[in-house]
Parts: sequence; C-alpha cells; structure tokens
Amino acid sequence: AQSVTQLDSQVPVFEEAPVELRCNYSSSVSVYLFWYVQYPNQGLQLLLKYLSGSTLVKGINGFEAEFNKSQTSFHLRKPSVHISDTAEYFCAVSAYSSASKIIFGSGTRLSIRP
Amino acid sequence: KAGVTQTPRYLIKTRGQQVTLSCSPISGHRSVSWYQQTPGQGLQFLFEYFSETQRNKGNFPGRFSGRQFSNSRSEMNVSTLELGDSALYLCASSSQGNQGETQYFGPGTRLLVL
Repeated sequence: AQSVTQLDSQVPVFEEAPVELRCNYSSSVSVYLFWYVQYPNQGLQLLLKYLSGSTLVKGINGFEAEFNKSQTSFHLRKPSVHISDTAEYFCAVSAYSSASKIIFGSGTRLSIRP
Repeated sequence: KAGVTQTPRYLIKTRGQQVTLSCSPISGHRSVSWYQQTPGQGLQFLFEYFSETQRNKGNFPGRFSGRQFSNSRSEMNVSTLELGDSALYLCASSSQGNQGETQYFGPGTRLLVL
C-alpha cells in the first residue's frame, strides 16, 4: 500500500517570498508522484508530475518539484509567490500497477500575505 | 475541448435516502475515477471505471456503487445515506487511466446529508 504525508497543514508566506511545501511518501512498489492544487470551491488541477527520468520536474505557474528517492520525498517549490497562489496543495502518488488509483496527502493550505 | 462536467453541483438529502451523481468525462476519455473529499478524511479514492468495467476499487462499503455507460459517462450511487456521507464528490477522467496519465477533475458535487 502507498501513503503520503504532507508535513505542514498550513504555510503562511509573504507575497514575492519563496515557498517550499513538503511531501514524503511510502510505498513498497514503484510509484508516480503528483502535485495538485485546489482553489476555493473548485476541483483539482494538476501542477506537475514525476513519471521517470530527471528528478527535477517543472510545472505550471512557476512551480517545480524534486524527486528524492533515498529520502522518499517530493517537495514542491516556487521562488516567488503571488496572491493568486493562495490555495490548497495536495501531494499524491499512484502505483505503477494501479495508476488510476491516486492516493492523496492531507493537503497544505498556502496563504499569501501582502 | 469541454472539461469534465458533474451534475448536480449541489444536493441535499436526508438520512436513509439514496442518491445518484453523474459525471461526463472529457470527450475521448475512457477512464473515470471517483473520489470523496471530506474535512476529516481528506481525499479518498472510491473506484475507477474503464470501458464499462470497474477496474480499481477503494475501501468504501457496498453502499457506494457506480457504473459506466458505453459513451464513458459514469454514475455513482450511494444508498441508505448516512450523515458521514456529506462530502464533495469529485470525478476525474483520463484517456486510458494508466502510466501516470494526467487525470482531469470536474468541479465536484457537494452532497449534504441531513
């Protein structure tokens, strides 16, 4: 079975400051890794995903994440945040054998202060 | 292309009733997955349908069921509703539902059980 731990439930940052949202996963099999964003009263939107290859993945809206297999982490980063980045962010995994079954972390609420 | 659509968007039911939610995937997508989102349990995978067959299943009781039609539209049914079934129900579609394909989420159906 797979599990995902998002270490921070809330992260407040000032506008234009850098941010890192932390994610660790556990799995006995190979997995795909994802970050999704959910804006208020909306569904989920994929920010980026790691399937294989380069461990640094770039996504939409200036976000990037780095896959670290030895530390089983997939932290999300952005060098300079904007008010519009205020949302909830979910780290997720799915096993190669059941790729459509996505296991989500509990989410990190990112709040941007002007 | 039109996105994933879900109907209805909001629903109020009473305990013991049953409910049917509908999801229309992106045109050409054959995989449809359903998720339940609650403040307490977060995002949890319910099941996935591909070509009218349930391919993956989460850990929900038998009161939760689904089906998929030949045009890939999917319905989810919850019988004998309980207060704890109050949640945002999200569906997601992808082309084949494998190899880490991006899942595209609909806006969700918010169900309130009184």
